[in-house]
Amino acid sequence: DGGITQSPKYLFRKEGQNVTLSCEQNLNHDAMYWYRQDPGQGLRLIYYSQIVNDFQKGDIAEGYSVSREKKESFPLTVTSAQKNPTAFYLCASSIVGTSGNQPQHFGDGTRLSIL
Amino acid sequence: AQSVTQLGSHVSVSEGALVLLRCNYSSSVPPYLFWYVQYPNQGLQLLLKYTSAATLVKGINGFEAEFKKSETSFHLTKPSAHMSDAAEYFCAVSELTGGFKTIFGAGTRLFVKA
Repeated sequence: DGGITQSPKYLFRKEGQNVTLSCEQNLNHDAMYWYRQDPGQGLRLIYYSQIVNDFQKGDIAEGYSVSREKKESFPLTVTSAQKNPTAFYLCASSIVGTSGNQPQHFGDGTRLSIL
Repeated sequence: AQSVTQLGSHVSVSEGALVLLRCNYSSSVPPYLFWYVQYPNQGLQLLLKYTSAATLVKGINGFEAEFKKSETSFHLTKPSAHMSDAAEYFCAVSELTGGFKTIFGAGTRLFVKA
């Protein structure tokens, strides 16, 4: 079955430590996205990529970094510069169409907590 | 920039009752609108999308939404709530900003009482 796989499901970070969240898709989608979800705040866009080797900052990119070396993969690194990293992180992908009517497909998320 | 407002962070209904989740958007041009559902500790799933073909859009699990341009609304309804409908629901709008971005509302958590 086609879909998006995020791993791990739960992740713990020590102070000052960088951690990387994995996101892999086999939907053959060109666009991929990372969102952060906090209670009562909906989804906030961290980074997105519409093509391999290219990505753009979203609304809350500070303290995060990404890479897009393969179409299928879009890992997110939460750096030590992110002072409040505890959240639920969601990866999504979509077709890049000529209009805005393409829905996004989501993984099941990674919950990151600070030790 | 476009925005989405979901009225009510929590909605509680009895099983079998009408479900109404409210969504208003701001847009100067016809938007693309979506409703997604999220079950605990899972990602979002698409319920339905509006793409201007019809103002009443039918989705999965018996949900539907009506686009009302005069009210800039896209409310989600279901005639009869089921216990399995308990989840968080997000309204979203597409924005053309260097390649379409999706703006999500803050979400409405639906509780269904037996």
